[in-house]
Amino acid sequence: QVTLKESGPVLVKPTETLTLTCIVSGFSLSNARMGVSWIRQPPGKALEWLGHIFSNDEKSYSTSLKSRLTISKDTSKSQVVLSMTNMDPVDTATYYCARIRDYMVRGVTFDYWGQGTLVTVSS
Amino acid sequence: DIQMTQSPSSVSASVGDRVTITCRASQPISSWLAWYQQKPGKAPKLLIYAASSLQSGVPSRFSGSGSGTDFTLTISSLQPEDFATYYCQQANTFPPLTFGGGTKVEIK
Repeated sequence: QVTLKESGPVLVKPTETLTLTCIVSGFSLSNARMGVSWIRQPPGKALEWLGHIFSNDEKSYSTSLKSRLTISKDTSKSQVVLSMTNMDPVDTATYYCARIRDYMVRGVTFDYWGQGTLVTVSS
Repeated sequence: DIQMTQSPSSVSASVGDRVTITCRASQPISSWLAWYQQKPGKAPKLLIYAASSLQSGVPSRFSGSGSGTDFTLTISSLQPEDFATYYCQQANTFPPLTFGGGTKVEIK
């Protein structure tokens, strides 16, 4: 059974760095043509892709947020970590991690999602 | 960046109705398109990938079509559990990957 679960702070202050962890189970982060993406959704708004990391360690980031984002993985711990610096109230959103599978055939699509974690940025 | 434009932004329909949602890409994306369903307070669920391939476990009343810049998600006979918001996503050109603005399917 494939599961993903996000964890991290629910409240961060402006200018702080957000660190979220996604623990995965039911698949390995080293499986070929797999990856994990981070996606966020401000309250009442649409989905926004933040970035992803593939099993071969290839990474890609949102062009508008690239300078603030870092995604890394620890295959032995089955976890993917998102770091976002200089948080602002506009970054208040539900943050999801999601699995990417067989991206050469399916495109970079997300077949399993975590439940999401709401992060509020406020002083 | 490839912009994804969905229409309509909302639709009111009754159980049993046929519902069609469209998604237009700002440049050709071949068949690299996915559709997701999201219910309030829940994570999105993948329905369709590669424009027309049904994700495992998704009911056959959902179908997708299109290629290039114009795509369609069709629900052939709307069921009570289908009232939700639907998003399209271009799945090949990044960064960035981009989602449409969403279409809310509401009860008439």
